[in-house]
Amino acid sequence: DARVTQTPRHKVTEMGQEVTMRCQPILGHNTVFWYRQTMMQGLELLAYFRNRAPLDDSGMPKDRFSAEMPDATLATLKIQPSEPRDSAVYFCASTGLAKETQYFGPGTRLLVL
Amino acid sequence: KQEVTQIPAALSVPEGENLVLNCSFTDSAIYNLQWFRQDPGKGLTSLLLIQSSQREQTSGRLNASLDKSSGRSTLYIAASQPGDSATYLCAKMDSSYKLIFGSGTRLLVRP
Repeated sequence: DARVTQTPRHKVTEMGQEVTMRCQPILGHNTVFWYRQTMMQGLELLAYFRNRAPLDDSGMPKDRFSAEMPDATLATLKIQPSEPRDSAVYFCASTGLAKETQYFGPGTRLLVL
Repeated sequence: KQEVTQIPAALSVPEGENLVLNCSFTDSAIYNLQWFRQDPGKGLTSLLLIQSSQREQTSGRLNASLDKSSGRSTLYIAASQPGDSATYLCAKMDSSYKLIFGSGTRLLVRP
């Protein structure tokens, strides 16, 4: 049963700390997306990669957020330093072709105190 | 600015009713229109994907339509069940392959 996995599922941290979220896309999928979901803004695209290369990170605050794909099986999203306004659910999704259905992971629920 | 709007924001219906969820979008230049379901505390599950060249897609009790000229899509749920209770999100894929989501419709189907 192929699925996108994300770790950790929940994270509580204090303002100023570094947060790293990880995503394992479905094996064989070459496009990975990072989204953030909040009550106020809904679902927003932060960044996405194809064949491990970043294609668009215009939705991501550059000063504190960074996204990478060290290899085809791992995508990371880092926040340093974290702020209370970063509290949200962060979703990773993957797809085989850009126009196909995106498969979402269960999300990382982040709370920054 | 590209926007996707969903109405109503919330809907409560008795079990067995047929219902329609609405989605409207600006900019008719889309690659596809997708409907997702999200259960509380969970990720998104894809329900239906309509390519820009198509007018509708069906899966079981679900039927989604697409009218690019008017910038509208509808999700029709037949014979609703309590298990259909969830938030339904529509998303438009734009020319750069990004999904732009609406804010969702929270559906409650009462037994």
